[in-house]
Amino acid sequence: EADIYQTPRYLVIGTGKKITLECSQTMGHDKMYWYQQDPGMELHLIHYSYGVNSTEKGDLSSESTVSRIRTEHFPLTLESARPSHTSQYLCAVGLAGVGELFFGEGSRLTVL
Amino acid sequence: DQQVKQNSPSLSVQEGRISILNCDYTNSMFDYFLWYKKYPAEGPTFLISISSIKDKNEDGRFTVFLNKSAKHLSLHIVPSQPGDSAVYFCAASDHGSGNTGKLIFGQGTTLQVKP
Repeated sequence: EADIYQTPRYLVIGTGKKITLECSQTMGHDKMYWYQQDPGMELHLIHYSYGVNSTEKGDLSSESTVSRIRTEHFPLTLESARPSHTSQYLCAVGLAGVGELFFGEGSRLTVL
Repeated sequence: DQQVKQNSPSLSVQEGRISILNCDYTNSMFDYFLWYKKYPAEGPTFLISISSIKDKNEDGRFTVFLNKSAKHLSLHIVPSQPGDSAVYFCAASDHGSGNTGKLIFGQGTTLQVKP
């Protein structure tokens, strides 16, 4: 399995603010992912990374950006939050040779 | 264009009975399928998976069946317990595209198990 940590768990913020959602893992896994999920909807892949200095956009267009400067850290940033960014953001790691992803507990973002 | 579909938004069953959750997919390149369980405000938890070379995989109370010709899979929970009440997501991936690890998810089915 994987130890994966997301902070903050909950964030309520005003429009126009810059926010960074943190995602960290302790096991040195190369593959990391960010999914976005709204209630009653599927999880949508918005960003992924296969290692340090590797980042790609996912299937769902997102105004957020990510970075992967260290293997264990994969933060997601919104430069100017809007109410349409209100959602749950889920970070995951993929284990080598195993098909499943392991998710963190998620960050619930509300933009007023 | 949704490649993984869970057409039943919700399901209610009595404790001790069987829960059957269904999932359909459209992409014939998918070769690995997974089920996740999710509680509100938490991340999804992996339950069980199946490779396209199999038609059944069992783990305790959970069994996943795959019908490739129908592009359909189902998750059976027997016996159902109140603690199984959660949202269940079906997911699929295409390992043939370089084992990217990207999963495509369905919309989820909310299961309620009544005591």
